[in-house]
Amino acid sequence: AQKVTQAQTEISVVEKEDVTLDCVYETRDTTYYLFWYKQPPSGELVFLIRRNSFDEQNEISGRYSWNFQKSTSSFNFTITASQVVDSAVYFCALSEGYTGTASKLTFGTGTRLQVTL
Amino acid sequence: AAGVIQSPRHLIKEKRETATLKCYPIPRHDTVYWYQQGPGQDPQFLISFYEKMQSDKGSIPDRFSAQQFSDYHSELNMSSLELGDSALYFCASSLRQGSYGYTFGSGTRLTVV
Repeated sequence: AQKVTQAQTEISVVEKEDVTLDCVYETRDTTYYLFWYKQPPSGELVFLIRRNSFDEQNEISGRYSWNFQKSTSSFNFTITASQVVDSAVYFCALSEGYTGTASKLTFGTGTRLQVTL
Repeated sequence: AAGVIQSPRHLIKEKRETATLKCYPIPRHDTVYWYQQGPGQDPQFLISFYEKMQSDKGSIPDRFSAQQFSDYHSELNMSSLELGDSALYFCASSLRQGSYGYTFGSGTRLTVV
């Protein structure tokens, strides 16, 4: 069974601070996909990144960066120079590779990020 | 670009009533997923369909049923509604059972009073 753990329930930072959201996952599959989603107060799920298990290269997109380490089963997300608009709940999620059935997403419990002025 | 369309956006029902939520996937997407997100919770997988057949089932109550139609849209039917069914219901669609990622709709917020 797959499991995603986001140990940080809530984080508060002051604008312009860097912040890292932790994600640890468990799966028995060798092929899997990891995701990060942002859920602002309006409620929609905004896709941020998808990474497959064979690609451990770190990725940077503007102020966002992701660190994938298979050795520690972690897929951490860093926001550099945080802004008030980054305030949201962030979910890490996992899906198994092709299993012959539609691969569902298993979400972590989310981390609520509050960025203040 | 076309996104996943969910209707209605908001729905208020009384206990014991029935509700139907609709999901229109991205054109050419053959797989649909339903998730339920209770207040302060993470989205929980309910059910999925691939090529109009049920593919996987999660923690979906027996009072709920769903199907995917010939035009690939999906409907989630919820009967004998309970206060605990109040949640945000997301539909997501994908191509080839998630091989290329998922696109979520904006969700339907169901309130049972």
